[in-house]
Amino acid sequence: DQQVKQNSPSLSVQEGRISILNCDYTNSMFDYFLWYKKYPAEGPTFLISISSIKDKNEDGRFTVFLNKSAKHLSLHIVPSQPGDSAVYFCAASPMNRDDKIIFGKGTRLHILP
Amino acid sequence: KAGVTQTPRYLIKTRGQQVTLSCSPISGHRSVSWYQQTPGQGLQFLFEYFSETQRNKGNFPGRFSGRQFSNSRSEMNVSTLELGDSALYLCASREPGTAGNTIYFGEGSWLTVV
Repeated sequence: DQQVKQNSPSLSVQEGRISILNCDYTNSMFDYFLWYKKYPAEGPTFLISISSIKDKNEDGRFTVFLNKSAKHLSLHIVPSQPGDSAVYFCAASPMNRDDKIIFGKGTRLHILP
Repeated sequence: KAGVTQTPRYLIKTRGQQVTLSCSPISGHRSVSWYQQTPGQGLQFLFEYFSETQRNKGNFPGRFSGRQFSNSRSEMNVSTLELGDSALYLCASREPGTAGNTIYFGEGSWLTVV
């Protein structure tokens, strides 16, 4: 039972354009959401997060949008750069902080020159 | 503040052997989680330890085990290695309830079983 779904295994975007990565969740008990970026042979690095009390959080070129009614969040990268080519994982944290954080399967982003 | 440290970074083992991986969390983090990543499989949750107690467990066979010490350092052990255990093993630490419950990963330990 996948509680956090990233339905696009891969995405290709032209350099300089906007990259939009999507994530859906099923459990309404999630109240904190995170995005991680992972290069091959390295550990994932924390990118940006959003609390369920907000619908948008911005950090430089990265913006995360949360639509609670649709149980959907998205990560926007503007403008996309070659170094953004990586696998992006969406994650959700339950309100009960003792419970584990749930990860999606990831989306591989390719930035095309 | 030092990040999550994992050792060894790379290792090769023979089928049937056992392996122990080590993880030192970020100072002040009492929770340590372990994940397995294989190509196309995302991050598979193994288990989580908090204050020396296993608090959450994923769907892995009993060959996969772990422990946590009083200084929050953690080890995971895989016994009777199989070829399919070849993967990147990631450790992550957090202090639940702080920083929005963000977890931070180490660089991982690459295990190859031959």
